[in-house]
Amino acid sequence: AQSVTQPDIHITVSEGASLELRCNYSYGATPYLFWYVQSPGQGLQLLLKYFSGDTLVQGIKGFEAEFKRSQSSFNLRKPSVHWSDAAEYFCAVGYSSASKIIFGSGTRLSIRP
Amino acid sequence: GAGVSQSPSNKVTEKGKDVELRCDPISGHTALYWYRQSLGQGLEFLIYFQGNSAPDKSGLPSDRFSAERTGGSVSTLTIQRTQQEDSAVYLCASRFGREPLGEQYFGPGTRLTVT
Repeated sequence: AQSVTQPDIHITVSEGASLELRCNYSYGATPYLFWYVQSPGQGLQLLLKYFSGDTLVQGIKGFEAEFKRSQSSFNLRKPSVHWSDAAEYFCAVGYSSASKIIFGSGTRLSIRP
Repeated sequence: GAGVSQSPSNKVTEKGKDVELRCDPISGHTALYWYRQSLGQGLEFLIYFQGNSAPDKSGLPSDRFSAERTGGSVSTLTIQRTQQEDSAVYLCASRFGREPLGEQYFGPGTRLTVT
């Protein structure tokens, strides 16, 4: 069955430090991969997506993610976090054979001043 | 322009009562999704509409849950005989219909509490 795993439930990093949020998926074919962010009191917003081509994708707010087929991973990174990045981050996977996407359980990011 | 709106924003109901949750998608978006987000959980897919039809309703947890969409726009999610385990945030999303895996735009959600 298709699935998405975000192994870290909660991460705390210091402001200005680098960030990496992990995401692993399970599927035989090439998936369509997404990262969404849910800020407190706001709806989910798409940060970036990967469909094909360059495996390093750039998103909004200075985020990037790298698709690694050999590791079935799509980790989200940011070189220097800001206090405003505190939010819940969701990795999601979709497949060309379907029109729905499957979300991971999320990683809550806290920023230490 | 206007985003996805949902109403009510909060709903408290007694166990056993029926509730209706409403979603107004972005104008022109033919695809519409309902998700459920329980405390500490990810988003659980409930149902997907393309136009007024629902080609995928595989995520509806029981026959107490139903949804409809009229005029290719507004959608209503109905939960009959609510149970405490139905307490969650119900999210609606819409997307441009011609991109099957395009960006979904989410509403702010309806927080349902069943007492």
